[in-house]
Amino acid sequence: NAGVTQTPKFQVLKTGQSMTLQCAQDMNHEYMSWYRQDPGMGLRLIHYSVGAGITDQGEVPNGYNVSRSTTEDFPLRLLSAAPSQTSVYFCASRPTGTLSPEQYFGPGTRLTVT
Amino acid sequence: AQKITQTQPGMFVQEKEAVTLDCTYDTSDPSYGLFWYKQPSSGEMIFLIYQGSYDQQNATEGRYSLNFQKARKSANLVISASQLGDSAMYFCAMRANNNNDMRFGAGTRLTVKP
Repeated sequence: NAGVTQTPKFQVLKTGQSMTLQCAQDMNHEYMSWYRQDPGMGLRLIHYSVGAGITDQGEVPNGYNVSRSTTEDFPLRLLSAAPSQTSVYFCASRPTGTLSPEQYFGPGTRLTVT
Repeated sequence: AQKITQTQPGMFVQEKEAVTLDCTYDTSDPSYGLFWYKQPSSGEMIFLIYQGSYDQQNATEGRYSLNFQKARKSANLVISASQLGDSAMYFCAMRANNNNDMRFGAGTRLTVKP
């Protein structure tokens, strides 16, 4: 099992550019989510999905889009990058149906917007 | 709304001693889970321990224990016999049973001194 994988590990964008952060998991988890981590802060939820075809907004969704066409993949799209989106992005997954104690995190993508 | 507070930005502990990292939370949901994660300098999020709101006993996992005081809404992490490898950021988090949004505190940076 690879667990939760994220690509790329690092990315530098210019203001206004768009890009997609990739996330995949091979544990057949229904629930997947995206977080951002800013310096000195904990993780904040951007978007999440409870299954293929279902997505919803978290605490800080503005400037990001998601889709969930398969159970395995949950890409995060930045439509027009802004310096305020400079952050470390984590993807996570877990089973649904119970208050599952563990959420599995990917290794993170460090994004810099200049 | 759920809120997690970690009031200690940084903590120091001597190797082999015990240390307590504080966490208080606020929620109106009767059923929820409390989590602690470790983030070493390499950046990955490592799940440490989980406590359910209805669990009668405090959770323990090896050298980690969670001092859960429901009436005070606190969920402090106790690390016994600190090791140099315990130096890292530690995040407290909470998720309500009927909610997919996991909220994180701002974290505590623990430094273990030899």
